[in-house]
Amino acid sequence: EVQLVESGGGLVQPGGSLRLSCAASGFTFSSYAMSWVRQAPGKGLEWVSGISGSGDDTYYADSVKGRFTISRDNSKNRLYLQMNSLGAEDTAVYYCAKGRGGYSYGGNDYWGQGTLVTVSS
Amino acid sequence: EIVLTQSPGTLSLSPGERATLSCRASQSVRSSYLAWYQQKPGQAPRLLIYGASSRATAIPDRFSGSGSGTDFTLTISRLEPEDFAVYYCQQYGSSPPWTFGQGTKVEIK
Repeated sequence: EVQLVESGGGLVQPGGSLRLSCAASGFTFSSYAMSWVRQAPGKGLEWVSGISGSGDDTYYADSVKGRFTISRDNSKNRLYLQMNSLGAEDTAVYYCAKGRGGYSYGGNDYWGQGTLVTVSS
Repeated sequence: EIVLTQSPGTLSLSPGERATLSCRASQSVRSSYLAWYQQKPGQAPRLLIYGASSRATAIPDRFSGSGSGTDFTLTISRLEPEDFAVYYCQQYGSSPPWTFGQGTKVEIK
Protein backbone atom coordinates (compact mmCIF):
# COMPACT_ATOMS: atom_id res chain seq x y z
CA GLU A 1 0.00 0.00 0.00
CA VAL A 2 1.37 3.41 -0.99
CA GLN A 3 1.73 5.80 1.93
CA LEU A 4 2.99 9.35 2.10
CA VAL A 5 3.33 10.94 5.52
CA GLU A 6 4.34 14.58 5.86
CA SER A 7 5.85 16.12 8.96
CA GLY A 8 7.64 19.26 10.03
CA GLY A 9 4.88 21.83 9.82
CA GLY A 10 4.10 24.28 12.57
CA LEU A 11 4.08 27.92 13.61
CA VAL A 12 7.03 30.03 12.45
CA GLN A 13 7.71 33.76 12.60
CA PRO A 14 7.96 35.86 9.44
CA GLY A 15 11.44 35.58 7.99
CA GLY A 16 11.97 32.21 9.63
CA SER A 17 12.73 28.77 8.20
CA LEU A 18 11.14 25.36 8.30
CA ARG A 19 11.98 21.97 6.81
CA LEU A 20 9.18 19.68 5.73
CA SER A 21 9.67 15.97 5.33
CA CYS A 22 7.62 13.33 3.53
CA ALA A 23 8.15 9.65 4.34
CA ALA A 24 7.21 7.37 1.46
CA SER A 25 6.46 3.65 1.49
CA GLY A 26 4.79 1.00 -0.63
CA PHE A 27 6.50 1.80 -3.94
CA THR A 28 9.96 2.10 -5.49
CA PHE A 29 10.58 5.66 -4.38
CA SER A 30 13.52 6.40 -6.70
CA SER A 31 11.45 5.56 -9.78
CA TYR A 32 8.96 8.38 -9.35
CA ALA A 33 8.98 12.13 -9.49
CA MET A 34 7.59 13.85 -6.43
CA SER A 35 5.97 17.23 -5.93
CA TRP A 36 4.96 19.58 -3.16
CA VAL A 37 1.55 21.23 -3.54
CA ARG A 38 0.12 23.73 -1.08
CA GLN A 39 -3.30 25.05 -0.21
CA ALA A 40 -3.81 28.29 1.67
CA PRO A 41 -6.77 28.33 4.08
CA GLY A 42 -10.01 28.37 2.10
CA LYS A 43 -8.16 28.61 -1.22
CA GLY A 44 -7.32 26.39 -4.15
CA LEU A 45 -4.33 24.20 -4.90
CA GLU A 46 -0.95 25.65 -5.86
CA TRP A 47 1.91 23.57 -7.25
CA VAL A 48 5.08 24.57 -5.37
CA SER A 49 7.98 22.37 -6.44
CA GLY A 50 8.87 19.12 -8.16
CA ILE A 51 11.86 16.77 -8.29
CA SER A 52 12.65 13.93 -10.66
CA GLY A 53 13.01 10.35 -9.44
CA SER A 54 16.79 10.53 -9.55
CA GLY A 55 16.83 13.94 -7.89
CA ASP A 56 18.80 15.44 -10.78
CA ASP A 57 16.02 17.79 -11.91
CA THR A 58 14.25 20.27 -9.68
CA TYR A 59 11.58 22.83 -10.45
CA TYR A 60 9.94 25.67 -8.53
CA ALA A 61 7.00 28.01 -8.75
CA ASP A 62 8.07 31.62 -9.18
CA SER A 63 6.47 32.42 -5.82
CA VAL A 64 9.02 30.29 -3.96
CA LYS A 65 12.06 30.31 -6.26
CA GLY A 66 15.19 31.30 -4.38
CA ARG A 67 13.56 30.70 -0.99
CA PHE A 68 12.54 27.01 -1.08
CA THR A 69 14.71 24.00 -1.88
CA ILE A 70 13.34 20.57 -2.73
CA SER A 71 15.47 17.48 -2.23
CA ARG A 72 15.14 13.75 -1.74
CA ASP A 73 17.06 10.92 -0.14
CA ASN A 74 16.28 7.81 -2.13
CA SER A 75 18.16 5.62 0.35
CA LYS A 76 15.72 6.72 3.06
CA ASN A 77 12.59 7.06 0.88
CA ARG A 78 12.21 10.66 1.98
CA LEU A 79 11.27 13.89 0.28
CA TYR A 80 12.14 17.28 1.77
CA LEU A 81 11.22 20.92 1.36
CA GLN A 82 13.52 23.47 2.96
CA MET A 83 11.63 26.73 3.31
CA ASN A 84 13.50 29.97 4.09
CA SER A 85 12.46 33.62 4.35
CA LEU A 86 8.90 32.62 5.09
CA GLY A 87 6.11 35.17 4.81
CA ALA A 88 2.44 35.23 5.64
CA GLU A 89 1.68 34.26 2.03
CA ASP A 90 3.33 30.89 2.66
CA THR A 91 0.74 29.92 5.27
CA ALA A 92 -0.89 26.78 3.90
CA VAL A 93 -1.32 23.06 4.15
CA TYR A 94 1.58 21.48 2.31
CA TYR A 95 1.02 18.15 0.57
CA CYS A 96 3.59 15.83 -0.91
CA ALA A 97 2.36 14.02 -3.98
CA LYS A 98 3.68 11.13 -6.05
CA GLY A 99 4.02 11.37 -9.80
CA ARG A 100 3.10 8.51 -12.09
CA GLY A 101 6.58 8.26 -13.58
CA GLY A 102 10.16 9.38 -13.12
CA TYR A 103 9.55 12.73 -14.79
CA SER A 104 5.80 13.20 -14.26
CA TYR A 105 5.04 16.19 -12.06
CA GLY A 106 1.27 16.25 -12.47
CA GLY A 107 -1.52 13.73 -12.51
CA ASN A 108 -0.35 12.80 -9.02
CA ASP A 109 -1.88 9.49 -8.00
CA TYR A 110 -1.07 9.49 -4.28
CA TRP A 111 -1.05 12.34 -1.78
CA GLY A 112 -0.11 12.66 1.85
CA GLN A 113 -2.51 13.98 4.46
CA GLY A 114 -0.77 17.36 4.49
CA THR A 115 1.10 19.35 7.11
CA LEU A 116 0.06 22.86 8.15
CA VAL A 117 2.56 25.69 8.03
CA THR A 118 1.51 28.90 9.74
CA VAL A 119 3.65 32.01 9.39
CA SER A 120 2.75 34.56 12.03
CA SER A 121 4.29 36.69 14.72
CA GLU B 1 2.63 30.09 -17.61
CA ILE B 2 -0.55 28.30 -18.63
CA VAL B 3 -3.62 29.68 -16.86
CA LEU B 4 -6.51 27.27 -16.34
CA THR B 5 -10.01 28.70 -15.97
CA GLN B 6 -12.70 26.41 -14.58
CA SER B 7 -16.39 26.97 -15.00
CA PRO B 8 -18.82 27.25 -13.46
CA GLY B 9 -17.52 28.28 -10.06
CA THR B 10 -20.37 26.42 -8.36
CA LEU B 11 -22.70 23.78 -9.76
CA SER B 12 -25.92 23.09 -7.86
CA LEU B 13 -27.37 19.71 -8.78
CA SER B 14 -29.40 16.87 -7.29
CA PRO B 15 -28.25 13.27 -6.82
CA GLY B 16 -28.79 11.32 -10.01
CA GLU B 17 -28.24 14.33 -12.25
CA ARG B 18 -25.41 14.75 -14.75
CA ALA B 19 -22.57 17.15 -13.97
CA THR B 20 -20.46 18.80 -16.66
CA LEU B 21 -17.38 20.73 -15.54
CA SER B 22 -15.21 22.79 -17.88
CA CYS B 23 -11.50 23.62 -17.79
CA ARG B 24 -10.13 26.04 -20.37
CA ALA B 25 -6.41 26.64 -20.85
CA SER B 26 -4.79 29.92 -21.94
CA GLN B 27 -2.65 27.96 -24.39
CA SER B 28 -2.61 24.44 -25.75
CA VAL B 29 -1.82 21.70 -23.23
CA ARG B 30 0.89 19.45 -24.68
CA SER B 31 -0.07 15.84 -25.26
CA SER B 32 -3.32 16.35 -23.36
CA TYR B 33 -1.45 16.24 -20.07
CA LEU B 34 -4.51 17.35 -18.13
CA ALA B 35 -5.65 15.85 -14.83
CA TRP B 36 -8.78 16.16 -12.71
CA TYR B 37 -8.89 15.85 -8.93
CA GLN B 38 -11.67 15.66 -6.37
CA GLN B 39 -11.24 17.20 -2.94
CA LYS B 40 -13.56 16.93 0.04
CA PRO B 41 -13.29 19.15 3.14
CA GLY B 42 -10.34 18.26 5.33
CA GLN B 43 -9.01 15.70 2.85
CA ALA B 44 -6.19 15.56 0.37
CA PRO B 45 -7.01 15.73 -3.32
CA ARG B 46 -7.82 12.46 -5.08
CA LEU B 47 -6.78 11.81 -8.66
CA LEU B 48 -9.75 11.04 -10.91
CA ILE B 49 -8.50 11.48 -14.48
CA TYR B 50 -5.06 11.82 -16.08
CA GLY B 51 -4.05 12.29 -19.70
CA ALA B 52 -7.36 14.11 -20.20
CA SER B 53 -9.41 10.91 -20.42
CA SER B 54 -7.80 8.03 -18.52
CA ARG B 55 -9.47 7.05 -15.27
CA ALA B 56 -7.18 6.56 -12.30
CA THR B 57 -7.17 3.32 -10.34
CA ALA B 58 -10.47 2.48 -8.62
CA ILE B 59 -12.31 5.49 -10.02
CA PRO B 60 -15.93 4.62 -10.91
CA ASP B 61 -16.86 4.73 -14.57
CA ARG B 62 -19.47 7.44 -13.95
CA PHE B 63 -16.46 9.81 -14.07
CA SER B 64 -15.16 10.56 -17.55
CA GLY B 65 -12.80 13.13 -19.03
CA SER B 66 -12.56 14.48 -22.54
CA GLY B 67 -11.00 17.26 -24.55
CA SER B 68 -7.72 18.34 -26.06
CA GLY B 69 -5.80 21.49 -26.88
CA THR B 70 -7.32 24.21 -24.72
CA ASP B 71 -10.76 22.82 -23.82
CA PHE B 72 -11.33 19.97 -21.41
CA THR B 73 -14.40 18.54 -19.68
CA LEU B 74 -15.06 16.34 -16.67
CA THR B 75 -18.43 14.61 -16.74
CA ILE B 76 -20.09 12.81 -13.86
CA SER B 77 -22.88 10.82 -15.48
CA ARG B 78 -25.09 10.35 -12.42
CA LEU B 79 -24.20 12.13 -9.22
CA GLU B 80 -23.90 10.00 -6.11
CA PRO B 81 -24.10 11.59 -2.63
CA GLU B 82 -20.34 11.12 -2.19
CA ASP B 83 -19.58 13.11 -5.38
CA PHE B 84 -20.45 16.48 -3.89
CA ALA B 85 -17.04 18.09 -3.51
CA VAL B 86 -14.64 20.53 -5.14
CA TYR B 87 -13.00 19.54 -8.44
CA TYR B 88 -9.71 20.87 -9.78
CA CYS B 89 -8.03 20.50 -13.15
CA GLN B 90 -4.24 20.60 -13.52
CA GLN B 91 -2.03 20.81 -16.59
CA TYR B 92 1.37 19.13 -16.53
CA GLY B 93 2.36 19.03 -20.16
CA SER B 94 4.61 22.02 -20.65
CA SER B 95 7.46 23.46 -18.67
CA PRO B 96 6.74 24.47 -15.08
CA PRO B 97 4.73 25.75 -13.34
CA TRP B 98 2.26 22.89 -13.56
CA THR B 99 -0.80 24.94 -12.77
CA PHE B 100 -4.18 24.16 -11.27
CA GLY B 101 -7.53 25.70 -12.07
CA GLN B 102 -9.32 27.61 -9.34
CA GLY B 103 -11.82 24.79 -8.74
CA THR B 104 -15.50 24.04 -9.28
CA LYS B 105 -17.68 23.25 -6.29
CA VAL B 106 -20.43 20.71 -6.92
CA GLU B 107 -23.08 21.23 -4.27
CA ILE B 108 -26.39 19.61 -3.47
CA LYS B 109 -29.34 21.53 -4.83
